Amino acid sequence: GDSVTQMEGPVTLSEEAFLTINCTYTATGYPSLFWYVQYPGEGLQLLLKATKADDKGSNKGFEATYRKETTSFHLEKGSVQVSDSAVYFCALSYSGSARQLTFGSGTQLTVLP
Amino acid sequence: EADIYQTPRYLVIGTGKKITLECSQTMGHDKMYWYQQDPGMELHLIHYSYGVNSTEKGDLSSESTVSRIRTEHFPLTLESARPSHTSQYLCASSESSGGNTGELFFGEGSRLTVL
Repeated sequence: GDSVTQMEGPVTLSEEAFLTINCTYTATGYPSLFWYVQYPGEGLQLLLKATKADDKGSNKGFEATYRKETTSFHLEKGSVQVSDSAVYFCALSYSGSARQLTFGSGTQLTVLP
Repeated sequence: EADIYQTPRYLVIGTGKKITLECSQTMGHDKMYWYQQDPGMELHLIHYSYGVNSTEKGDLSSESTVSRIRTEHFPLTLESARPSHTSQYLCASSESSGGNTGELFFGEGSRLTVL
């Protein structure tokens, strides 16, 4: 079946550091890929998405490129801020699927001033 | 601004009590979901619904039950709460197949503590 594997956390960075959170997936078809973010005490929010191979999703300075050849969707940001401290979830789904998202286990990011 | 609402945000109750977690969405989405989030952050799907009068169990076995009498409302009920039910519960919704890109919209969560 489908699965999503994220790099284990927690990840601690200094402000303005470069961020990479690795995500790889196993899928039987051609899924859409997502990054969700969960700020402390809140629900999940969509951060970015890509619906087909070689698409790049971007939002709030974060980027991720759908790499079919390496089955990856790594999240990157060039300069993190304290306000980026949150839990990040990689996920996949299929358009039209009733069951929807398969989530990774989440990566806790803490950015220190 | 969130169009999916969960109440209560926080609830502390004693063992054996019956509780209902409310979830409502104003987006007209047919599909709704309940996830349980453990302290390690991992999300587990416990219930989902395709539409009115449709409910299914998810990947994680749960003693909770759900109902879907109206499109916008998807409450979760525990008949007799136990300390093992202590967790964060997240409700979500998504569009029907026609406009579905796979994106889920989440509420802010209900944090349940059973003493």
